[in-house]
Amino acid sequence: NAGVTQTPKFQVLKTGQSMTLQCAQDMNHEYMSWYRQDPGMGLRLIHYSVGAGITDQGEVPNGYNVSRSTTEDFPLRLLSAAPSQTSVYFCASTSGTGGLGYTFGSGTRLTVV
Amino acid sequence: SQQGEEDPQALSIQEGENATMNCSYKTSINNLQWYRQNSGRGLVHLILIRSNEREKHSGRLRVTLDTSKKSSSLLITASRAADTASYFCATDARDLKETSGSRLTFGEGTQLTVNP
Repeated sequence: NAGVTQTPKFQVLKTGQSMTLQCAQDMNHEYMSWYRQDPGMGLRLIHYSVGAGITDQGEVPNGYNVSRSTTEDFPLRLLSAAPSQTSVYFCASTSGTGGLGYTFGSGTRLTVV
Repeated sequence: SQQGEEDPQALSIQEGENATMNCSYKTSINNLQWYRQNSGRGLVHLILIRSNEREKHSGRLRVTLDTSKKSSSLLITASRAADTASYFCATDARDLKETSGSRLTFGEGTQLTVNP
């Protein structure tokens, strides 16, 4: 099993550009989440999903969109990149049955110039 | 806002010593989880303790939870150089109703350095 796969691993964007960060999991997990990690601030929740067709906002959703058309995929879209979105982005998933930890992807390091 | 707050922010010990990290949180939880992150890598789940549990063990890891004080501790015994990493606590305040989903809230982490 691949677990949680994130692409790309690195990306440089110019201010105002848009892009999609991909996240796929092969564990049939219902719950999927996107976090950003900034130095000294831990991980902050951007958006999350409890199943296909259902998404909700986390702590820092502004400037990001998500969709969940399948159980496996949970892409994160940056609508108009800003330097404040320079960060490391992590996708994570877990089973909806509860009592289990999250499986994290290896991250996407995004720089907006 | 950060739910969990780890203490200390950084810890440096010698190989073979024990390492203790603490986590405090603010609201009611269903469970509390600890994760490890090696430099430049993703997070790896270490252990989960439910709100009705007080202590849990996994190999060299021992986690305690005190819901009355809203605090948890992670003890790593007989530390090794390979334990050098950042350690995060995360609280899961998942509502029992399915519609609310699962939301992990992380602290800022403890940087552990184990010197050979």
